[in-house]
Amino acid sequence: QVVLQESGPGLVKPSETLSLTCTVSGGSLDRKYWGWIRQPAGKGLEYIGRIYSTGTTNYHPSLQSRVSMSIDTSSGQFSLKLISVTAADTAIYFCAQSLQYCSGNNCFRYFDLWGRGTLVTVSS
Amino acid sequence: EIVLTQSPATLSFSPGERATLSCRASQTVTSTFLSWYQQRPGQAPRLLIYGASTRATGIPARFSGSGSGTDFTLTIGSLQPEDSAVYYCHQDSYLPPTFGGGTKVEL
Repeated sequence: QVVLQESGPGLVKPSETLSLTCTVSGGSLDRKYWGWIRQPAGKGLEYIGRIYSTGTTNYHPSLQSRVSMSIDTSSGQFSLKLISVTAADTAIYFCAQSLQYCSGNNCFRYFDLWGRGTLVTVSS
Repeated sequence: EIVLTQSPATLSFSPGERATLSCRASQTVTSTFLSWYQQRPGQAPRLLIYGASTRATGIPARFSGSGSGTDFTLTIGSLQPEDSAVYYCHQDSYLPPTFGGGTKVEL
């Protein structure tokens, strides 16, 4: 059974860098996509970005100038960094497995496994 | 960016009733890239439906998905108390992937 767990500081000061790690247990990171999604309190879900096991990344255009992701398949972890944070970055941050495959003539893509999420508050 | 509009914002039901949740996309979405998630209070989203109509592993048969193009539907037949949650549709057909604003189902 694959389990994802986010970790990192729960409080970050404005203008500083938010850093989170997702540890994947019970499975391999190889040949898969892994993503980050966030949710401000009482609001909906926002895609932050996605990384493939080889390190190829895709980021939300609105965050592209501030976000970076990395992956270490040998340690079963992938990470998120968001620079120059403001109060608007306060949210629950989820890591997730982004399953992508083709079966016959159909290809599928969805987030099938999620971590429990970690609350990050940006405040001085 | 594709906008997903979910309606209604809130649904109130009694146990045993049937609920129909709508998700409308601002552009045509390939149905195999349309999924639905359930989020109970204080929990992470849980995959319910992928490919617009395929139930994920362990999801009860009372959950069903349908639709194509720009209009998709999640139906919950015979609502149970544990179905109280917010339901989100999600498209991963075009970058960036987007989520609908959610429908809150209250029993």
